[in-house]
Amino acid sequence: GNSVTQMEGPVTLSEEAFLTINCTYTATGYPSLFWYVQYPGEGLQLLLKATKADDKGSNKGFEATYRKETTSFHLEKGSVQVSDSAVYFCALSETGNQFYFGTGTSLTVIP
Amino acid sequence: GAVVSQHPSWVICKSGTSVKIECRSLDFQATTMFWYRQFPKQSLMLMATSNEGSKATYEQGVEKDKFLINHASLTLSTLTVTSAHPEDSSFYICSAINSGGETQYFGPGTRLLVL
Repeated sequence: GNSVTQMEGPVTLSEEAFLTINCTYTATGYPSLFWYVQYPGEGLQLLLKATKADDKGSNKGFEATYRKETTSFHLEKGSVQVSDSAVYFCALSETGNQFYFGTGTSLTVIP
Repeated sequence: GAVVSQHPSWVICKSGTSVKIECRSLDFQATTMFWYRQFPKQSLMLMATSNEGSKATYEQGVEKDKFLINHASLTLSTLTVTSAHPEDSSFYICSAINSGGETQYFGPGTRLLVL
């Protein structure tokens, strides 16, 4: 079946530190992969996505590369800011209808 | 990008009352909308899939008589929590996709507190 596994948080970093949030997946077919971000008290916002192997999604300094050989879609940012503090969800979808979410990773960036 | 709104954003009600939450796609037609529930510090749990003009498809374990879903138009889906109880208190999030799309756009969520 389909599933997503994220590294457990919470993650606390100092401003300008390098961020990696690991995400691996299992899928029966060829899914699209997504990262969503949820700021406190708000719904989810699409951060980036990749639709096929070796694609790199990027947005707001965040990047993630679709690695089929390692079934991974790790989220990275070279220099985090306080405003990046949020919960990050990795997700996959094969059909665009059924989404499978990871459990979320809480990130806190301190000045 | 596509915008999805929810109303209300916050609702507090007494136990036994019913609460209606609206989900609207503001700048696109949503053939399919989804309703999720999120408990504190947990991931989203899909409750049901709502297709315009047809009955919603509920996930296993979700009571369809308690969580009534109506997708009356291509831009509006409603979730009614009937006879709400304190254990129904949660963060309810809807999402929508347009025809031919594969990305879900999420609403800002509705926080329900049942006293």
